[in-house]
Amino acid sequence: AQSVSQHNHHVILSEAASLELGCNYSYGGTVNLFWYVQYPGQHLQLLLKYFSGDPLVKGIKGFEAEFIKSKFSFNLRKPSVQWSDTAEYFCAVSPQTGANNLFFGTGTRLTVIP
Amino acid sequence: KAGVTQTPRYLIKTRGQQVTLSCSPISGHRSVSWYQQTPGQGLQFLFEYFSETQRNKGNFPGRFSGRQFSNSRSEMNVSTLELGDSALYLCASSFVLAGGLTYEQYFGPGTRLTVT
Repeated sequence: AQSVSQHNHHVILSEAASLELGCNYSYGGTVNLFWYVQYPGQHLQLLLKYFSGDPLVKGIKGFEAEFIKSKFSFNLRKPSVQWSDTAEYFCAVSPQTGANNLFFGTGTRLTVIP
Repeated sequence: KAGVTQTPRYLIKTRGQQVTLSCSPISGHRSVSWYQQTPGQGLQFLFEYFSETQRNKGNFPGRFSGRQFSNSRSEMNVSTLELGDSALYLCASSFVLAGGLTYEQYFGPGTRLTVT
């Protein structure tokens, strides 16, 4: 069965600290990988995506993620967080079969302290 | 380009009633997917529609159904509402390539359904 694990439920950082959020998935096939962000009071927005090619992908607002196939991981990173990064972050996978269903992790709430 | 729109934004219904939610995708997007978001279960896939046909279905009971119109707009229906159906229902649209493969999904603001 497909599953996505986000091990950190709530992360609290001070501004300028570095961020890494873990994401591991379980799926018996090739997948597309995504990170979505949900700012307070706003809807889900795509942060970055990986379909194929360079396993290091860059997204909006200085975020990047690295796909490590051998570890079934797609961790999200940012070298220096800002207060405005306070939000909930969701890792998601979808099969590369044309099926357009996303499997989401449970989310990680990030609180950045000014 | 206008984003995904969902109506209504908030809805309060009574147990046993039925409800219909509406979603208008981004112009040019022909795939529409629906998700349920709850604090306990997180984000769960309900179903996907493409070319007016249900292409994928999640693990939800038959009380949850949907349809898609020729202009790609979609509706989902929940019959015989239960208290546990209280949730944020999200619609997402995506562009479809020749061959049926899709790009990333863009989400709407959701409809907050409360069942009393």
